[in-house]
Amino acid sequence: DSGVTQTPKHLITATGQRVTLRCSPRSGDLSVYWYQQSLDQGLQFLIQYYNGEERAKGNILERFSAQQFPDLHSELNLSSLELGDSALYFCASSVSQRTSTDTQYFGPGTRLTVL
Amino acid sequence: AQSVAQPEDQVNVAEGNPLTVKCTYSVSGNPYLFWYVQYPNRGLQFLLKYITGDNLVKGSYGFEAEFNKSQTSFHLKKPSALVSDSALYFCAVRPHSEAAGNKLTFGGGTRVLVKP
Repeated sequence: DSGVTQTPKHLITATGQRVTLRCSPRSGDLSVYWYQQSLDQGLQFLIQYYNGEERAKGNILERFSAQQFPDLHSELNLSSLELGDSALYFCASSVSQRTSTDTQYFGPGTRLTVL
Repeated sequence: AQSVAQPEDQVNVAEGNPLTVKCTYSVSGNPYLFWYVQYPNRGLQFLLKYITGDNLVKGSYGFEAEFNKSQTSFHLKKPSALVSDSALYFCAVRPHSEAAGNKLTFGGGTRVLVKP
């Protein structure tokens, strides 16, 4: 158990809908990262937050947004869902933002199925 | 931009035999390198990382990896594989540069099947 928690574990929804994925980082970690794992794209970095502020952006669609709250939990919002958004979404956390040697610890993921 | 290649989609090995999972990388400057393992229906578990110093890195569950700068490789090894090592293995790279952020760039993954 990495100490990173994600809810829900599974999410099934329809095209055009909006969903929210939630992540709680390990105790003491200030950075949260979101990754998407799909069969065709592999594991891809979406976005990073550090202590409430956006730190880095990757291949995140405009229909997707995220935020990190004062208690450091993070939410990833996915809107106008398409079939291709079906994937496993991982959250990871690390202690800081500037120390590149930090290890990122991953949560169990949320499996999103868009029908 | 950084990239990682895992040339083998699947590696089959008999239990008790040595296991090697290959990884090569491309990055500007010096790399930070990581190995993660993913068991079915589970998240990624950290195995080991190379930051600097000794080219041979030891990690969890008896795994080790050797950093080779001239060959830009970071192969994962285990002297004696167990059936329970059957899983999906990912190599990842992150550059030293702060400007690049802390994002990890992952390889496509290698499925390891250890047969009894």
